[in-house]
Amino acid sequence: NAGVTQTPKFRVLKTGQSMTLLCAQDMNHEYMYWYRQDPGMGLRLIHYSVGEGTTAKGEVPDGYNVSRLKKQNFLLGLESAAPSQTSVYFCATRGVPPGANVLTFGAGSRLTVL
Amino acid sequence: GQSLEQPSEVTAVEGAIVQINCTYQTSGFYGLSWYQQHDGGAPTFLSYNALDGLEETGRFSSFLSRSDSYGYLLLQELQMKDSASYFCAVGDGQNFVFGPGTRLSVLP
Repeated sequence: NAGVTQTPKFRVLKTGQSMTLLCAQDMNHEYMYWYRQDPGMGLRLIHYSVGEGTTAKGEVPDGYNVSRLKKQNFLLGLESAAPSQTSVYFCATRGVPPGANVLTFGAGSRLTVL
Repeated sequence: GQSLEQPSEVTAVEGAIVQINCTYQTSGFYGLSWYQQHDGGAPTFLSYNALDGLEETGRFSSFLSRSDSYGYLLLQELQMKDSASYFCAVGDGQNFVFGPGTRLSVLP
């Protein structure tokens, strides 16, 4: 039982390159989230999904796209990476009651854009 | 919109008690949560309050006052391993907004 798995764990990109971060969960959770974490700024929501085939914008969606074609996977894409997107990205999932108020996080993906 | 405030840093000695406060302004409120994050690690869930009052889980307790838009996390019998960042988060039914985090340093 892996929980929430993020790939890759580390990546270095050049400005303008594209990439996709994958979040996979085996808990059958409906809700999935992508957050970014920068020093001193806590976790900021990029995009989220309330179920298969649905996505919605969070607090800082610009420069990112997402897809949830399968319930267990939530992909975060950067079409043209910028240095401002250097950050640690966390995927999180949430289930139904009684665990509806608990977020389970992946280990994180550290992205550096040069 | 939603915003949360927490102290940026707190320092305490081993065995002591420390309280980390969180104030929030939200357009919708479905509870206050607390998460712990060690350096280089992922946030992990500690506690959740939907209603006013105190919730206790071992050495950790969390308190909520909805009328004051205020909550706190209380850590008792501090241990070195409690050195970490602590985040409060407010849920609005679909999303969770996190505070900036409080870095707790536990000294021997």
